[in-house]
Amino acid sequence: GNSVTQMEGPVTLSEEAFLTINCTYTATGYPSLFWYVQYPGEGLQLLLKATKADDKGSNKGFEATYRKETTSFHLEKGSVQVSDSAVYFCALRTQGAQKLVFGQGTRLTINP
Amino acid sequence: DTEVTQTPKHLVMGMTNKKSLKCEQHMGHRAMYWYKQKAKKPPELMFVYSYEKLSINESVPSRFSPECPNSSLLNLHLHALQPEDSALYLCASSQLWELEDTQYFGPGTRLTVL
Repeated sequence: GNSVTQMEGPVTLSEEAFLTINCTYTATGYPSLFWYVQYPGEGLQLLLKATKADDKGSNKGFEATYRKETTSFHLEKGSVQVSDSAVYFCALRTQGAQKLVFGQGTRLTINP
Repeated sequence: DTEVTQTPKHLVMGMTNKKSLKCEQHMGHRAMYWYKQKAKKPPELMFVYSYEKLSINESVPSRFSPECPNSSLLNLHLHALQPEDSALYLCASSQLWELEDTQYFGPGTRLTVL
């Protein structure tokens, strides 16, 4: 079946540190890949997405590249801020499907 | 604009109550979704409406009853819930494009069942 595996959290970093949250997937065909962010007490916000191999999604300083050869979609940011503290979910959707398959989420805390 | 609104923001209900959650989008999206999210877990899909028809029911207990009155509105009717149904209920919508379909989520309703 289709699945998403994220690096286990929680992750704690200092402000201005480099961030990587690993995400790998198993899927039939060529899925679309997403990163969602959930701030405390809120719903999920789409952070970025990629729909085909080698696509790079980017938003708010975050980037992720769709790597078909390694079935990965790692999230990166060069310099994190306290306001980036949240839970990050990696997800996939296979072609023709409406169901999103989520990873378990990674809680990120940024200390000043 | 990619806004999905949900009301109420918080809801406390007893096990014998009947209540409804509401969701609205004005993006012209043709699919709407209900998810349930427990603490420290990812969202779990409950229902999907496509073109105002129920297309997916993930074996959800009948005490949860969805309704899609029109393409912009989605309701979730609640009756005889159990304390374990306490969770964040999220609504989402999407365009129903084959390759680029993207779900946009609302802020959620935090439900507590006493």
